[in-house]
Amino acid sequence: GESVGLHLPTLSVQEGDNSIINCAYSNSASDYFIWYKQESGKGPQFIIDIRSNMDKRQGQRVTVLLNKTVKHLSLQIAATQPGDSAVYFCAEPEGGYNKLIFGAGTRLAVHP
Amino acid sequence: SQTIHQWPATLVQPVGSPLSLECTVEGTSNPNLYWYRQAAGRGLQLLFYSVGIGQISSEVPQNLSASRPQDRQFILSSKKLLLSDSGFYLCAWKKGPSTDTQYFGPGTRLTVL
Repeated sequence: GESVGLHLPTLSVQEGDNSIINCAYSNSASDYFIWYKQESGKGPQFIIDIRSNMDKRQGQRVTVLLNKTVKHLSLQIAATQPGDSAVYFCAEPEGGYNKLIFGAGTRLAVHP
Repeated sequence: SQTIHQWPATLVQPVGSPLSLECTVEGTSNPNLYWYRQAAGRGLQLLFYSVGIGQISSEVPQNLSASRPQDRQFILSSKKLLLSDSGFYLCAWKKGPSTDTQYFGPGTRLTVL
């Protein structure tokens, strides 16, 4: 079936470096994607979203890139900080926008 | 602004005991509501969702049930807990069918012994 998945289960970076978290999707008809951040013991927190009519969207220190040709999206975090340590999930709607399908998640570990 | 609450935050229950987890949303009306379960170190599994009072859709066969007695209240229940029911339970809401982004509550950590 259609799915959203992640390339890397764990990403370790040095504080101050840029981080890139990747996500592949299989449904070419998908037109909306969301990135969530989940800190240990907490619920997922909305970070940023992007619609398929865009290739790039920027937030505060975060940028999401969408490549529809290869069905790939990425989350870029600039100047990664210890507070960015968390698990990051990509997600896409399914079932008439009543449901979200989540990827497996990537753990980001930031080292001083 | 909208807020979502879950309680209790943590719960330890014996096998075979009943369960009731509660989720409430403030600051919005007629939201879509969702229950997810997350095993340790894993992704999110959708259990139930509701588009209105008394309307429940079940995603996976299981030992749990859900109810929506009020517009902004969503309850997850079980008559007899199993060891496999242990996990992190998350409630989420979104504004309705025309929007996509879901917002999550703080979660309930359930341990069944």
